[in-house]
Amino acid sequence: DAGITQSPRHKVTETGTPVTLRCHQTENHRYMYWYRQDPGHGLRLIHYSYGVKDTDKGEVSDGYSVSRSKTEDFLLTLESATSSQTSVYFCAIQNGAEAFFGQGTRLTVV
Amino acid sequence: GESVGLHLPTLSVQEGDNSIINCAYSNSASDYFIWYKQESGKGPQFIIDIRSNMDKRQGQRVTVLLNKTVKHLSLQIAATQPGDSAVYFCADPSRGGSYIPTFGRGTSLIVHP
Repeated sequence: DAGITQSPRHKVTETGTPVTLRCHQTENHRYMYWYRQDPGHGLRLIHYSYGVKDTDKGEVSDGYSVSRSKTEDFLLTLESATSSQTSVYFCAIQNGAEAFFGQGTRLTVV
Repeated sequence: GESVGLHLPTLSVQEGDNSIINCAYSNSASDYFIWYKQESGKGPQFIIDIRSNMDKRQGQRVTVLLNKTVKHLSLQIAATQPGDSAVYFCADPSRGGSYIPTFGRGTSLIVHP
């Protein structure tokens, strides 16, 4: 898994609560990404980072924020979780043009 | 906007048959493509890539064909095995000059023993 760890791996939370997912890499790569994966939609980019404190929005960024205070950690926050954010979330790093993915976090918002 | 997409959401084959998974892309400036395989409960993993100056690239049991005229690529798996059952994505790593991986919806390959 190319030195990428996502935590937690599974989480159930209530609507309206804040949730933070963590992606940790040991490879010192500059680019990191958060995707969500839903049936019928494939992998959709939420946010990405191209360095410490440098982040940008992807195609489905509404309702999400990110932070990258250290090269190795990229945090995804749902400020107020909604049922539509029930999904599997994948973090990825990039080495050249190839992306390496974490194992995913299954988030259920009830 | 620009996109990549697979033609069929599901492909069922018998063990030992050859499988062909198709993908179309819309960005004529795309110069590099990657196929990923995602097994159940895991993140996608690299299978094979191809650059736009090539029409064909072969791996161990996989072949990728690229037709730039019709903006189509395909992944061929020879002698499909149950372990090949997974979701396959084609990805265009380029987006506006920066290499942000963009994925199609995926084709679920089901291999029947």
